Amino acid sequence: EPEVTQTPSHQVTQMGQEVILRCVPISNHLYFYWYRQILGQKVEFLVSFYNNEISEKSEIFDDQFSVERPDGSNFTLKIRSTKLEDSAMYFCASSDGGERGTEAFFGQGTRLTVV
Amino acid sequence: GNSVTQMEGPVTLSEEAFLTINCTYTATGYPSLFWYVQYPGEGLQLLLKATKADDKGSNKGFEATYRKETTSFHLEKGSVQVSDSAVYFCARRGNQGGKLIFGQGTELSVKP
Repeated sequence: EPEVTQTPSHQVTQMGQEVILRCVPISNHLYFYWYRQILGQKVEFLVSFYNNEISEKSEIFDDQFSVERPDGSNFTLKIRSTKLEDSAMYFCASSDGGERGTEAFFGQGTRLTVV
Repeated sequence: GNSVTQMEGPVTLSEEAFLTINCTYTATGYPSLFWYVQYPGEGLQLLLKATKADDKGSNKGFEATYRKETTSFHLEKGSVQVSDSAVYFCARRGNQGGKLIFGQGTELSVKP
């Protein structure tokens, strides 16, 4: 069964460092998403990406964040200068359509710890 | 506002007990509604969905009915198993595009 894969599963980084979280969405999907979940809190939308551009972003997704689809398979989230409060589980998701009932498939997440 | 509210966890039940996890939403219009489940150490998996009012989503013995009158999408299962222990997330589709808006999650622990 096709799945979304994320690497690494756990990343520890020092405050102020740049991190890149990687995702391989399902191959025929067109819509890509990043979400995050701070420990003990709800899953929050960060950004959606379609047709090689950001289609929607939340207020969390400030200038420190960027996304890229560098080739036909990867979808990355970059945090330019990490802060302690960026520590969270980051989930990548993809879907084959943006319509009402389309299921989003999630990866297993990358746990980012900023120290 | 546009939000999803779930009952607080953790919920602890004995095997074969009846489960209800409440979920209500606020939205303009009638967004699609979803329940996702997160088993320990895994990502989010779609459990069931409903795309319009009065639809009932069902999967693996779980059910939820889209109630526009009460803006609710409560999750139910008649007889839970130990293997149902997980965190359950209610979600709605955003007003534009494909993003999901999640509730805070409800942890379910089923004891043998």
